[in-house]
Amino acid sequence: DTEVTQTPKHLVMGMTNKKSLKCEQHMGHRAMYWYKQKAKKPPELMFVYSYEKLSINESVPSRFSPECPNSSLLNLHLHALQPEDSALYLCASSQDFGGGYISGNTIYFGEGSWLTVV
Amino acid sequence: AQSVTQPDIHITVSEGASLELRCNYSYGATPYLFWYVQSPGQGLQLLLKYFSGDTLVQGIKGFEAEFKRSQSSFNLRKPSVHWSDAAEYFCAVGAEKAAGNKLTFGGGTRVLVKP
Repeated sequence: DTEVTQTPKHLVMGMTNKKSLKCEQHMGHRAMYWYKQKAKKPPELMFVYSYEKLSINESVPSRFSPECPNSSLLNLHLHALQPEDSALYLCASSQDFGGGYISGNTIYFGEGSWLTVV
Repeated sequence: AQSVTQPDIHITVSEGASLELRCNYSYGATPYLFWYVQSPGQGLQLLLKYFSGDTLVQGIKGFEAEFKRSQSSFNLRKPSVHWSDAAEYFCAVGAEKAAGNKLTFGGGTRVLVKP
């Protein structure tokens, strides 16, 4: 089962709200990712977690706060967002990077959460 | 740093005709290459991947891709397109960093299928 589940599918929030996006996988993957995708653009990496520790932050503004409570869950906490943050947010997971690509370290994506900031 | 170029922003093809999507990459070491498809309003689905070995890779939904090191290309092909193949296609190159994997995507090619 190669499934990454994201909730909610759609979220509308005001600029002063606090909300969270959630992601879950049960493939035993120990690396999890957040990507941001604007309309008609490719996905852009935001964060990487490896073994529940933040390993890559692609200079993302602090109004986005990731959290990895356990090896199956990944959250993205949102606070004081701007309208330009409206986008599709994609969660993904893969086997631990230590296995290397030789062992088939493919990144699997969820269907995304559509975020609109008003 | 790695980069990926997909020269065609849009391609229109008739149903039943063949399809080829171009992908050129730049990477200093052996590349790890992927093709993903994204239907409207959906996430990304992996079509196929190349790590090593046979340079002709078979994927799902009848797609295949050929790795050509001399041309730094990884073009995607399908012999006969179905209306359900209308979607956005992304080529990506992977790099294993010290702290996790990183995919770099091309700009995408939108495929329209005419009846």
